[in-house]
Amino acid sequence: ETGVTQTPRHLVMGMTNKKSLKCEQHLGHNAMYWYKQSAKKPLELMFVYNFKEQTENNSVPSRFSPECPNSSHLFLHLHTLQPEDSALYLCASSQDRPKLFFGSGTQLSVL
Amino acid sequence: SQQGEEDPQALSIQEGENATMNCSYKTSINNLQWYRQNSGRGLVHLILIRSNEREKHSGRLRVTLDTSKKSSSLLITASRAADTASYFCATTGTASKLTFGTGTRLQVTL
Repeated sequence: ETGVTQTPRHLVMGMTNKKSLKCEQHLGHNAMYWYKQSAKKPLELMFVYNFKEQTENNSVPSRFSPECPNSSHLFLHLHTLQPEDSALYLCASSQDRPKLFFGSGTQLSVL
Repeated sequence: SQQGEEDPQALSIQEGENATMNCSYKTSINNLQWYRQNSGRGLVHLILIRSNEREKHSGRLRVTLDTSKKSSSLLITASRAADTASYFCATTGTASKLTFGTGTRLQVTL
């Protein structure tokens, strides 16, 4: 275990559903990240939070909405997703970069 | 543009053999990391090499960095079936931006 826990591990949702991904880190880190991993593509950084403040948003569509209530928890709220949003969503944390600690990911399928 | 690109995309070897993976990048970096990912799981940090270092070892892992050629290699010696995974390089540029490559899929057979 890396100290970063993601739930759920798998999620199947329709395009009209609303769901949330959850990430919790037990490492005392000050930064948390959401990455998207699609087949045969490099990891795509979606959002970065430092001390609960969003510091990066890499042109992510508004149907993805992050929330960071404190330094240990990170959520990704999903609504009206498209089939091309199906991917492995990875949460990570770090203390003053660059080494990242990843969770096991949520495998998302959008039908 | 994509910073790190691994080569080969896929590698199949027998247990006990050495596995070598390469990473090339385009712009100046502060450091380079290698990560490992088992199928459907998160990435696990293996090793970090700074731009002023040329070689680093960790157990059966050996990483080299050639900043003049903008390339790095990861050598896994005496491979085991448990080494089967995808391996990614990640570069940190001067703007502290971390960029991952597309990975090398390593298959180690008995």
